[in-house]
Amino acid sequence: QKEVEQNSGPLSVPEGAIASLNCTYSDRGSQSFFWYRQYSGKSPELIMFIYSNGDKEDGRFTAQLNKASQYVSLLIRDSQPSDSATYLCAVRTGFQKLVFGTGTRLLVSP
Amino acid sequence: EAGVTQFPSHSVIEKGQTVTLRCDPISGHDNLYWYRRVMGKEIKFLLHFVKESKQDESGMPNNRFLAERTGGTYSTLKVQPAELEDSGVYFCASSPPPAGANVLTFGAGSRLTVL
Repeated sequence: QKEVEQNSGPLSVPEGAIASLNCTYSDRGSQSFFWYRQYSGKSPELIMFIYSNGDKEDGRFTAQLNKASQYVSLLIRDSQPSDSATYLCAVRTGFQKLVFGTGTRLLVSP
Repeated sequence: EAGVTQFPSHSVIEKGQTVTLRCDPISGHDNLYWYRRVMGKEIKFLLHFVKESKQDESGMPNNRFLAERTGGTYSTLKVQPAELEDSGVYFCASSPPPAGANVLTFGAGSRLTVL
């Protein structure tokens, strides 16, 4: 079992819709959860992180964490074609390193 | 503010040769990390420096890989001798104290192709 699992996609949504990206993790001791966005050939960029159960909102982005279910998600409201990228879920387990999933490719069509 | 800079952006070498990758972190960022993405796989941690000290090198694949950060500024990652399975994209990331792994800024990566 992979430590962090994501559906590779692609996830296709029309412009203006809500994109929902999901991630599960195996280590119950995981402390912090991150969403990175990576455009093709570019560096991963941190979108947001979450520590506590519940929702955390930042602009059009909402991260949701459910530690009991070992599940973290990212919602993107009013999706734009410029949101088309690979979204990487990452988990920190108490050490100064992140464990990444393989990423979900998101395609937003005009 | 300059970001994390990596050089070269792409290197093509033959099996058995040596390659040295360089990373210049953001000025003032004591934390420097190396990660690697092999084709089709997830990005994986290699090691972590705090200034010039190696804090965690648990992700280094084997002794063909040597990372240094002399003076606590830029870092190099040497692969010697390179093997086919070393091909991938090597990312460097940095963060200021005490943010650690919580706020990483990644470089664009160095793509290594071993033939």
